[in-house]
Amino acid sequence: KAGVTQTPRYLIKTRGQQVTLSCSPISGHRSVSWYQQTPGQGLQFLFEYFSETQRNKGNFPGRFSGRQFSNSRSEMNVSTLELGDSALYLCASGGRAASSYNEQFFGPGTRLTVL
Amino acid sequence: DQQVKQNSPSLSVQEGRISILNCDYTNSMFDYFLWYKKYPAEGPTFLISISSIKDKNEDGRFTVFLNKSAKHLSLHIVPSQPGDSAVYFCAASGAHGSGNTGKLIFGQGTTLQVKP
Repeated sequence: KAGVTQTPRYLIKTRGQQVTLSCSPISGHRSVSWYQQTPGQGLQFLFEYFSETQRNKGNFPGRFSGRQFSNSRSEMNVSTLELGDSALYLCASGGRAASSYNEQFFGPGTRLTVL
Repeated sequence: DQQVKQNSPSLSVQEGRISILNCDYTNSMFDYFLWYKKYPAEGPTFLISISSIKDKNEDGRFTVFLNKSAKHLSLHIVPSQPGDSAVYFCAASGAHGSGNTGKLIFGQGTTLQVKP
């Protein structure tokens, strides 16, 4: 069974640019969550999508956005990049049911460097 | 305000002995708890979970204990192996049916080193 895949694995951008990251969840999973990992802040929740709807949102500025497609694949977008956006961005997939407990399974992450 | 705390940044144990990793939480609405293992530059790997209706869950060498009254959980690894050396994160999520099960709040992590 294929795991969670994320593309690209590495990305270098400059300040002010925008970036789009992609995540394909485990087959059959309907929930996709995004997290940001930095040395100073640890793993922080960005947002979660379930059946193409944003179900939860973390405390990040509006420059961070996402969407989910009908095949459960998800993208996240960061506009007007800042140096502090340099991080490992992780996607996690989980759950077939809307309200059951869901272990989340993570992809390998996208390492974003903003210069 | 950190709702999930792992107060020990690092832990070193001898191969074959028990590793005990601790985690505290402050939000009584958390209903489900998970442990993940992470290597640098990789995504976290799910290890074991426990719901608030239980106080213990076991899977092979890994056992998680939950003390709801103390808002404390721990992960026991017995016996510890050198391959267990990694960063361990505990995470918590919202109540069943709340729609918050897809939002995990992570602790800061504990680096475990198992010496041969």
